[in-house]
Amino acid sequence: GENVEQHPSTLSVQEGDSAVIKCTYSDSASNYFPWYKQELGKGPQLIIDIRSNVGEKKDQRIAVTLNKTAKHFSLHITETQPEDSAVYFCAASSPGGGADGLTFGKGTHLIIQP
Amino acid sequence: EAGVAQSPRYKIIEKRQSVAFWCNPISGHATLYWYQQILGQGPKLLIQFQNNGVVDDSQLPKDRFSAERLKGVDSTLKIQPAKLEDSAVYLCASSLGRGAGTEAFFGQGTRLTVV
Repeated sequence: GENVEQHPSTLSVQEGDSAVIKCTYSDSASNYFPWYKQELGKGPQLIIDIRSNVGEKKDQRIAVTLNKTAKHFSLHITETQPEDSAVYFCAASSPGGGADGLTFGKGTHLIIQP
Repeated sequence: EAGVAQSPRYKIIEKRQSVAFWCNPISGHATLYWYQQILGQGPKLLIQFQNNGVVDDSQLPKDRFSAERLKGVDSTLKIQPAKLEDSAVYLCASSLGRGAGTEAFFGQGTRLTVV
């Protein structure tokens, strides 16, 4: 099955600086890579996603890049703000037999220092 | 638009007892997922339904976990008997369809503590 590795486990950055979180996946058949933000006591919320036929996607301060050859993808957050503090999860979906459930990384706790 | 509803929010039980969780997906969403999130880890898929049929339950511990989605809407997840290692947040998610790029919406989860 799919295996997703995520680094770092904790990331502390100064407010206004950029943050980068990296993930690798094992299944070359995976074709959908979402990023979720989870705040304390809440369920994960999708912030951006990318399909395997696209190399980069941007939405305001958030961008995701995908390297299919190397099987890794990254989340970039620019001009970080206090409300960006949360746990971020990368995930991959490798459809097979009609199933398309997500395999998640272990998460990155992003801390924005004022 | 109402989100995915789950109940209860919290549950504390003793080991070997049974427990059930309920999920009401977003209206019109055909696909429903149950995930288990152990403290400090990412969610792990337990089961996926498409309408009222099971698409994937390969990671569901079937000796103690069961799930159903009668009438293709609400779903219940049951654990019987519970073990200490079942302590986790159980997340329900739903999506409009199936396939790459179909966004999954998560509920707030049910936090289970087994003592």
